[in-house]
Amino acid sequence: SSELTQDPAVSVALGQTVRITCQGDSLRSYYASWYQQKPGQAPVLVIYGKNNRPSGIPDRFSGSSSGNTASLTITGAQAEDEADYYCHSRDSSGDHYVFGTGTEVTVL
Amino acid sequence: EVQLLESGGGLVQPGGSLRLSCAASGFNFRNYAMSWVRQAPGKGLEWVSTSSGGGDSTYYTDSVKGRFTISRDNSKNTLYLQMNSLRAEDTAVYHCAKVGSATRANWFDPWGQGTLVTVSS
Repeated sequence: SSELTQDPAVSVALGQTVRITCQGDSLRSYYASWYQQKPGQAPVLVIYGKNNRPSGIPDRFSGSSSGNTASLTITGAQAEDEADYYCHSRDSSGDHYVFGTGTEVTVL
Repeated sequence: EVQLLESGGGLVQPGGSLRLSCAASGFNFRNYAMSWVRQAPGKGLEWVSTSSGGGDSTYYTDSVKGRFTISRDNSKNTLYLQMNSLRAEDTAVYHCAKVGSATRANWFDPWGQGTLVTVSS
């Protein structure tokens, strides 16, 4: 399968921890990258590779992977973390890319 | 600072054509693969196409294969997407993105702000 599946929505209390998961067969071979998208804005890369953060991304964002599941964890969620989050990887063929279905994160 | 600026979007009738451009600056353009990603209104992200740095290898999602053509002019630091036989379902904001790569990993960073393509009669 070339699909990446995410939970549609999750909520987290301010300052608490939330984990967003992404499942797909290709994740057994490739790491996922993760993007944050706020309304009306372009996506922003927050995690890539095994667990790398681009410059400027807070260290409360971290990534992990096990089997066919990749995870993005926000430790100590802030109000500004409220956004849609997408995972992304190559598909099983390795020639194409695929995005996850997206998770809307609400910070309560 | 790496910057990507898309242009060329607009309103087009079904069956029509458009060419999108993505002007890049702040990095050695020819050394990087580049991709187009689209987002239909209220929907998620969809990868559309990728070009290798030299432009000799190109890849497309199945729904646009045979209708869209990705190309680049490395002398002008510009990526293109020629879209033909447009359909209503091609309506979306189209973003270009620089492709990063490492062993078992690829990522898109940064992204341009996008250009809106509307296919409607």
